[in-house]
Formats: sequence, C-alpha cells, structure tokens
Amino acid sequence: KQEVTQIPAALSVPEGENLVLNCSFTDSAIYNLQWFRQDPGKGLTSLLLIQSSQREQTSGRLNASLDKSSGRSTLYIAASQPGDSATYLCAVLNYGGSQGNLIFGKGTKLSVKP
Amino acid sequence: ETGVTQTPRHLVMGMTNKKSLKCEQHLGHNAMYWYKQSAKKPLELMFVYSLEERVENNSVPSRFSPECPNSSHLFLHLHTLQPEDSALYLCASSQDSGGLDYGYTFGSGTRLTVV
Repeated sequence: KQEVTQIPAALSVPEGENLVLNCSFTDSAIYNLQWFRQDPGKGLTSLLLIQSSQREQTSGRLNASLDKSSGRSTLYIAASQPGDSATYLCAVLNYGGSQGNLIFGKGTKLSVKP
Repeated sequence: ETGVTQTPRHLVMGMTNKKSLKCEQHLGHNAMYWYKQSAKKPLELMFVYSLEERVENNSVPSRFSPECPNSSHLFLHLHTLQPEDSALYLCASSQDSGGLDYGYTFGSGTRLTVV
C-alpha cells in the first residue's frame, strides 16, 4: 500500500530565505507526482506535475525534483515571500490499483515571516 | 478561479437533512472525482467518474450518493449524515481518465458541518 510522507510538518522561515520541502513515498511504481498548494479553508492549486520519466520541473521560483528509485521528491522555493505561506501537499499517482487514486501526504505548513 | 467550480462554499446541515454538493468544470476534462479532507488526515478519494460512468467507489458509506449527469457536472447527494462526516469536500477533474498525462485540477471545496 502506497504511503506518502512529508517532512517537516510545519516550517517557519524569514522572508527571502530559500527552502526545501520533502516528500517520500514507499512504492516507486508511480505514473507521476504532483505538488499542490492549499490556502487555509480553500481548495488545492496545482504547482508542478512531474512524470515518472522526468527528473525535475520548474515554474518561476519553484523547482520540484523526483528520484523515483529512492522514492523521494523535493520542492525548492527560492527567495520566499509572505505570500508563499500555505500548506504544500505532495501526491503520487500509482500504477494499477484504483483508477485515479491520487495518494496524498499530510502536507507541510509553511509560514514566511516578513 | 481554477476552472473547477464548487457550490455551495459552506454548508451546515442537520443529521436528518438531505442536501447536495455541486461541481462544474468547463475544461473539457473527461474524468471527475470527489475527495474528502478531514482534519489531520490526508485527502481521501471517494468517487471516480470517467466519461460519465462511475469506475470507483472507494468503500464510501451509502449516505453519500454521487451523480454525474454529463461530463461537465458532478453532484454529491448527502442524507442522514453523521457529525464525523464534517469535512472539506473537494471536487477534481482530469483531462485524461486517471490524470496520467496532465494531472488533476481541484475546485475550492465545500466546507460541510453536520450538527
């Protein structure tokens, strides 16, 4: 059974700092991995999608990497801003099993202090 | 606005009520999903519809009843819910069935409180 773990559960940094969020998964047989952002009480906003054949994806100040063989992904945020404060969720899509069953971690709650 | 619209945003209902959640997407996607997000727990898949046919019911209690009348609309009918059903209910869609190529697009969710 696929399990997704995100470390740390919470992170507080001063504005301008570069930071890394970690995601690990137990079953490397995945189609893709997706990073989302969730603001309090709101839905999910997709940040980056990495296919299993890819090593990384970039969007603006965000860079996500994937090491499928070791079951790890990182989300790198450069020059953090207070507006980046949110919960960041990692989710993997497995081969086989339930169609469309995206398995989520519990998230990392990020707070960027001005 | 993500392209997936959910209504209502907030809902308070009694345990004997019947209500429905609505989800709408005009992205031309072929699959739609209901997810439940409870406090301190990861998101859980409830239902999957691909090309308007239900392909997955993830052992969800029968007090939750989905309906997909066309590829753009998805409903979740609720009846005789329990307080532990209080959660954020999220709708998602994907262009391909399963979200293999382009991932998922989520709505803003309906915050449900059962009293």
